[in-house]
Amino acid sequence: GQNIDQPTEMTATEGAIVQINCTYQTSGFNGLFWYQQHAGEAPTFLSYNVLDGLEEKGRFSSFLSRSKGYSYLLLKELQMKDSASYLCAVRDNYGQNFVFGPGTRLSVLP
Amino acid sequence: DGGITQSPKYLFRKEGQNVTLSCEQNLNHDAMYWYRQDPGQGLRLIYYSQIVNDFQKGDIAEGYSVSREKKESFPLTVTSAQKNPTAFYLCASSTPVTGVGETQYFGPGTRLLVL
Repeated sequence: GQNIDQPTEMTATEGAIVQINCTYQTSGFNGLFWYQQHAGEAPTFLSYNVLDGLEEKGRFSSFLSRSKGYSYLLLKELQMKDSASYLCAVRDNYGQNFVFGPGTRLSVLP
Repeated sequence: DGGITQSPKYLFRKEGQNVTLSCEQNLNHDAMYWYRQDPGQGLRLIYYSQIVNDFQKGDIAEGYSVSREKKESFPLTVTSAQKNPTAFYLCASSTPVTGVGETQYFGPGTRLLVL
């Protein structure tokens, strides 16, 4: 079966660092994607991993371990505008579909 | 500008009524998708299409129908058989897997409400 798990909610302070974890069990793997979604809006693409290791894009980094079925999104120097839901998704074996986790709602406090 | 458009932004459905949500893309993507999102939840796949004139059911296809007559367009009809249609509907598109990691691109969404 397909299963992707993320924490439901997280809270952090402005200027801090937060790590959002994602574990997955899917029928195949063709990449893991992170999206940001503000309330009432569409998801926007943040980061992508297909090989093990860390990908860095400015304040955002994403890590992947395929053997452990594990990824995390690291957000540095948190800003109030980072308050949003963060969705983890895996592209399946045949590249046909993206399987989404439930999302993690991050609240950044002053 | 390339992108995905969805219309309308808000849609109201009466009991027993079918409604159609529009999705158009000019990104020249082969694959298109429809997702449903309920408050505080993740995205659930309704239907997807990898190529014109072909589409497949997703996890929650009951009460919905689609067509893919043109590469650019993938309309979703919410039929009267869908008893709980109130949700946020998102359309997305992507290219096939190339090994380079093509993501999905999302439209702005349509919020459907039942009167």
